Amino acid sequence: IVLTQSPGTLSLSPGERATLSCRASETVNSNYLAWYQQKPGQAPRLLIYRTSSRATGIPDRFSGSGSGSDFTLTISRLEPEDFAVYHCHQHGTFRTFGQGTKVEVK
Amino acid sequence: QLQLQESGPGLVKPSETLSLACTVSGGSLSSSSDYWVWVRQPPGKGLEWIGSIYYTGATYYNPSLKSRVTISVDTSKNQFSLKLNSVTAADTAVYYCARHGTGGYSFYYMDVWGTGTTVAVSS
Repeated sequence: IVLTQSPGTLSLSPGERATLSCRASETVNSNYLAWYQQKPGQAPRLLIYRTSSRATGIPDRFSGSGSGSDFTLTISRLEPEDFAVYHCHQHGTFRTFGQGTKVEVK
Repeated sequence: QLQLQESGPGLVKPSETLSLACTVSGGSLSSSSDYWVWVRQPPGKGLEWIGSIYYTGATYYNPSLKSRVTISVDTSKNQFSLKLNSVTAADTAVYYCARHGTGGYSFYYMDVWGTGTTVAVSS
């Protein structure tokens, strides 16, 4: 399953809302869709699993939604520490990742 | 808490074998609740799942790498290892070890990651 993330880069200001898209080449079970945050020089960090469940310690400004082949990560109000790259991941039979969306400071 | 740490050479020659280890601390490699995973990230690119292993030795590989990959466990050292043979420049990447749960695909998201190790393939 190919995951296509859009946009490639999102330029926003702190306090703004970020909406990131992850589109799959075929239907993904919503229990098999996760999102990770990655900052430069760091390992990915789990944000969201099973489409909409926040991982331990993740603030509630992060939310996930979607079904079928369209999934969305929303950051309601960007904090300075949220500027990073975000990866979607489907962990069904053959696990794949999207190419990432970079959220940068405008 | 559970921590993972990769180790191994940072430079491998083309056609040779890349060998990395991941040491598990704060937990047991023999846990029935864990799968142990290798993921890589080429420079400036996205993440790629390489494969997963259970403490019993059961393995699951990315079909695109399966012919060149071996993942194994050493419970006495609390380590699991990656071997990738016949490497080329395309295998240059940051290699991460990670962990995901058991109980079916809905648990296969990776919630613990090592810090990563950079491996360059060059003569």
